[in-house]
Amino acid sequence: GAVVSQHPSWVICKSGTSVKIECRSLDFQATTMFWYRQFPKQSLMLMATSNEGSKATYEQGVEKDKFLINHASLTLSTLTVTSAHPEDSSFYICSARGPYSSPLHFGNGTRLTVT
Amino acid sequence: EDKVVQSPLSLVVHEGDTVTLNCSYEVTNFRSLLWYKQEKKAPTFLFMLTSSGIEKKSGRLSSILDKKELFSILNITATQTGDSAVYLCAKGSGGGADGLTFGKGTHLIIQP
Repeated sequence: GAVVSQHPSWVICKSGTSVKIECRSLDFQATTMFWYRQFPKQSLMLMATSNEGSKATYEQGVEKDKFLINHASLTLSTLTVTSAHPEDSSFYICSARGPYSSPLHFGNGTRLTVT
Repeated sequence: EDKVVQSPLSLVVHEGDTVTLNCSYEVTNFRSLLWYKQEKKAPTFLFMLTSSGIEKKSGRLSSILDKKELFSILNITATQTGDSAVYLCAKGSGGGADGLTFGKGTHLIIQP
């Protein structure tokens, strides 16, 4: 089945630094990938839709200048958390839709801790 | 107002019991209803439902959708401790390129 790989699985960074998270579709091409954020004991919240070759579409309340998304190829999307602050500490998960309208498959997520 | 509402939010049962998890959703732009199981990391796919009344089954898990009443249920029979997880219901919208809208999840704990 469709596999989505996310890297790194966890990262600790200092406040003010930037962190890049990668999301790859391993055995299929994904023109669209999605980035979610999950705070403890809460549900996944869609942050943005990443479109290959064009600008990402951000959900209301998500700062596009803070969460930079690049979808440079059909198998790779990156999320960069710029000037991270402790309140950005969260679990970030990417997902991609497999071929032929198959359901979304998720990466294993990245646990970001900003100190 | 939440677009996807799950109940109960948490549930503790004994091994061997049968559980039913509920999910109701808004009809706006509905395309599909999905169930995921989330343990420590990212959700794993269980079922995708698009048609009313057709039960989907996988081992001890089954799910059905009622598009008239706008809800779905996930049943787990003969529960095992390995079924302990958060079960997420999500609504898929639009033309297939839209992300999912998740409910808050049901935290299921199976006691031995």
